Amino acid sequence: KNQVEQSPQSLIILEGKNCTLQCNYTVSPFSNLRWYKQDTGRGPVSLTIMTFSENTKSNGRYTATLDADTKQSSLHITASQLSDSASYICVVNGNAGNMLTFGGGTRLMVKP
Amino acid sequence: GAVVSQHPSRVICKSGTSVKIECRSLDFQATTMFWYRQFPKQSLMLMATSNEGSKATYEQGVEKDKFLINHASLTLSTLTVTSAHPEDSSFYICSARLLAGLYEQYFGPGTRLTVT
Repeated sequence: KNQVEQSPQSLIILEGKNCTLQCNYTVSPFSNLRWYKQDTGRGPVSLTIMTFSENTKSNGRYTATLDADTKQSSLHITASQLSDSASYICVVNGNAGNMLTFGGGTRLMVKP
Repeated sequence: GAVVSQHPSRVICKSGTSVKIECRSLDFQATTMFWYRQFPKQSLMLMATSNEGSKATYEQGVEKDKFLINHASLTLSTLTVTSAHPEDSSFYICSARLLAGLYEQYFGPGTRLTVT
């Protein structure tokens, strides 16, 4: 069964600190892995998308890593800001955009 | 990136009435759109895949007669919640798939439905 598990479920950090979110998956076949940021009451917005051959990809203060051998990904947020408070969702695509498997998300709260 | 819009952004309706939600891809054509439902503090759950010019494909447990999907053009899909009940209150999100590159899905901003 295709599954995507994220940890932690929720996280509280102080503004300016770094944090790392984890994503483990068992999706097969594997096409690509995406990280989305979802603000409360809004739709998800793509942060990064990585294919099998990519190990790391950055988007500003967000850096995603992918280890296709161990089927693990992480999202590192540097110098967190209050606006980073949101849910971060790991999504694995198994088949050309048709078979997305969603993780449960990590709810991040950044406090001043 | 590609832009997907939804209308309305929030709607309140009485039990037993029907509500239509529109999903539009604003700057690209999408032969396939997807409809999701999201309950508080949960992740997105795929309801159905909307295919332009053909019938939608529904996920197990989703009633096709209750959630009517129409994908009449390459830029518009609609979801109609018929005979809405309070348990249908949820956050409905659509996405449109780009038919190029990594077939990325772009999500709409969501529609908050409250059935009283």
